[in-house]
Amino acid sequence: NAGVTQTPKFRILKIGQSMTLQCTQDMNHNYMYWYRQDPGMGLKLIYYSVGAGITDKGEVPNGYNVSRSTTEDFPLRLELAAPSQTSVYFCASSYFGQGKTQPQHFGDGTRLSIL
Amino acid sequence: AQTVTQSQPEMSVQEAETVTLSCTYDTSESDYYLFWYKQPPSRQMILVIRQEAYKQQNATENRFSVNFQKAAKSFSLKISDSQLGDAAMYFCAYHSGGGADGLTFGKGTHLIIQP
Repeated sequence: NAGVTQTPKFRILKIGQSMTLQCTQDMNHNYMYWYRQDPGMGLKLIYYSVGAGITDKGEVPNGYNVSRSTTEDFPLRLELAAPSQTSVYFCASSYFGQGKTQPQHFGDGTRLSIL
Repeated sequence: AQTVTQSQPEMSVQEAETVTLSCTYDTSESDYYLFWYKQPPSRQMILVIRQEAYKQQNATENRFSVNFQKAAKSFSLKISDSQLGDAAMYFCAYHSGGGADGLTFGKGTHLIIQP
């Protein structure tokens, strides 16, 4: 199993450009998450999803959009890139069932620079 | 909102010695999970150990163990027989029991292993 796969691994954008960070998981997890990690900081939650068609905002959602059309995929879209969005982005997934949440599995991250 | 505090930005230990990383958290919930994640220079997020709040017994995974003090809201990680491969950033994280939202992370502790 590949686990959680993120693409691309590295990208440079110009201010005002748009892009989509891709995330797919093959573990049949119902919950998926997007985090960002700024230098010297822990991860902060951007958006999460509890299943196909259901998404909700996390701590830092401004400037981002998400969709969840399938169980496997959870893309993150930046519409108008700003320097403040320079960060490392992590996608994660987990399984929730029988009242318990299993630990989150993380992708390898996407390093995004906005210049 | 929950908060996680790691008061040690950096720790250094001699190879084969024991080191303890500190973490405190603030919550009004009774059902939650606590985690330690390791992030080596490759930036992968690797689960080290997990503790369920309702379990009084401290979790152990090989050389890694925790000291979970629920009343004090303290969750420290002890690494025994430190190895060069343990060098990394270590993040303490909190998750609401049964909650759909994501992890709340501390700022991390940079662990240096001296040969």
